[in-house]
Amino acid sequence: DAGVTQSPTHLIKTRGQHVTLRCSPISGHKSVSWYQQVLGQGPQFIFQYYEKEERGRGNFPDRFSARQFPNYSSELNVNALLLGDSALYLCASSGRGSPFLSSYNEQFFGPGTRLTVL
Amino acid sequence: DAKTTQPPSMDCAEGRAANLPCNHSTISGNEYVYWYRQIHSQGPQYIIHGLKNNETNEMASLIITEDRKSSTLILPHATLRDTAVYYCIVLYGQNFVFGPGTRLSVLP
Repeated sequence: DAGVTQSPTHLIKTRGQHVTLRCSPISGHKSVSWYQQVLGQGPQFIFQYYEKEERGRGNFPDRFSARQFPNYSSELNVNALLLGDSALYLCASSGRGSPFLSSYNEQFFGPGTRLTVL
Repeated sequence: DAKTTQPPSMDCAEGRAANLPCNHSTISGNEYVYWYRQIHSQGPQYIIHGLKNNETNEMASLIITEDRKSSTLILPHATLRDTAVYYCIVLYGQNFVFGPGTRLSVLP
């Protein structure tokens, strides 16, 4: 089985631009979560989607949005980029079953997309 | 979500057991304890999780105290490749809140 894949691996944007990051979950996984990891800190939760519906949202501004497609892949969009948006963006997939099974939160992370905003 | 407290850094000699502690004194009865690790510039990697009983898999062992207020992740024979940041997280049916974790350095 292929792991979680993310594209692109690296991206350089300028302030005010828009960016779209993509994630393909492990086959059979229906949940995708997005995290932002600023250098030197732990990952911070942004969104979770399960069965194409938003199930959780972290403390991020409305400039951040996401969606999940029928094949369970996902996109994270960030508008009006700021210098502080420079980070590693991680996608994780999980959920071969109910969100309340103990195995549900056994999340599998992709390698991330490194976004640099200049 | 229950909060966790971990030491910021630890050293361990190669080949010895690495014991990483985590305090979670506000954990509720249905919250699980999860451990992940992150090797430099890679995505976090799942290690193990548990509820009440001690757990063991091919990577590590998880010891949870009887009152569930703390736990210890044990890497039985640490190697240089185990050098990473280790995160302890407690939750149930919710979304992960990563703290700063413990930076484990395995020394030759």
